[in-house]
Amino acid sequence: DTEVTQTPKHLVMGMTNKKSLKCEQHMGHRAMYWYKQKAKKPPELMFVYSYEKLSINESVPSRFSPECPNSSLLNLHLHALQPEDSALYLCASSQGGSPVGTEAFFGQGTRLTVV
Amino acid sequence: QQQVKQSPQSLIVQKGGIPIINCAYENTAFDYFPWYQQFPGKGPALLIAIRPDVSEKKEGRFTISFNKSAKQFSLHIMDSQPGDSATYFCAAYISGNTGKLIFGQGTTLQVKP
Repeated sequence: DTEVTQTPKHLVMGMTNKKSLKCEQHMGHRAMYWYKQKAKKPPELMFVYSYEKLSINESVPSRFSPECPNSSLLNLHLHALQPEDSALYLCASSQGGSPVGTEAFFGQGTRLTVV
Repeated sequence: QQQVKQSPQSLIVQKGGIPIINCAYENTAFDYFPWYQQFPGKGPALLIAIRPDVSEKKEGRFTISFNKSAKQFSLHIMDSQPGDSATYFCAAYISGNTGKLIFGQGTTLQVKP
């Protein structure tokens, strides 16, 4: 099973709302990632969790708050977002912690629209 | 130094043609080079990947050529089909606990019937 599952698939939220994106993998991967992708652009790294600890924060605004409750789950909590935050949010996982590079598998993404 | 430069930005070929997408990098610390295929509204799907100690890798109709001295690598799609129409991203990765996947800018491929 090489599946990364993201929920919800689509989300529309107002600028004063609080919502969460969820990601789950059962491949035993120890590294999990959040990416943001705008139309016709490559994915941009937001956060990396390695062994359930935040290892990279790419200077993401505090209105995005990641959480890794356990090795299989990754959440992204959203509050006070701006319309320009509308994008496809992608979760990925990889084996991590290995001396050689390993494949990163992506979920299908959550299409977020901020109104 | 962290960049991966990808070209062309877009590509149109006839069915059966062999589109070639090129990528170049500077950072010799990169040790893994995957290619991703992405259809509209979907997440990127891993297509094929190569390590710098290998010069070529084939999986089905997809071939990666790797030139370590030139710091370049390319994707060839043999006997291309309309279903191959998608956006292709090359990427480069530095191993380790805090490994980061660096993407090229993407190539939109259209295969005409």
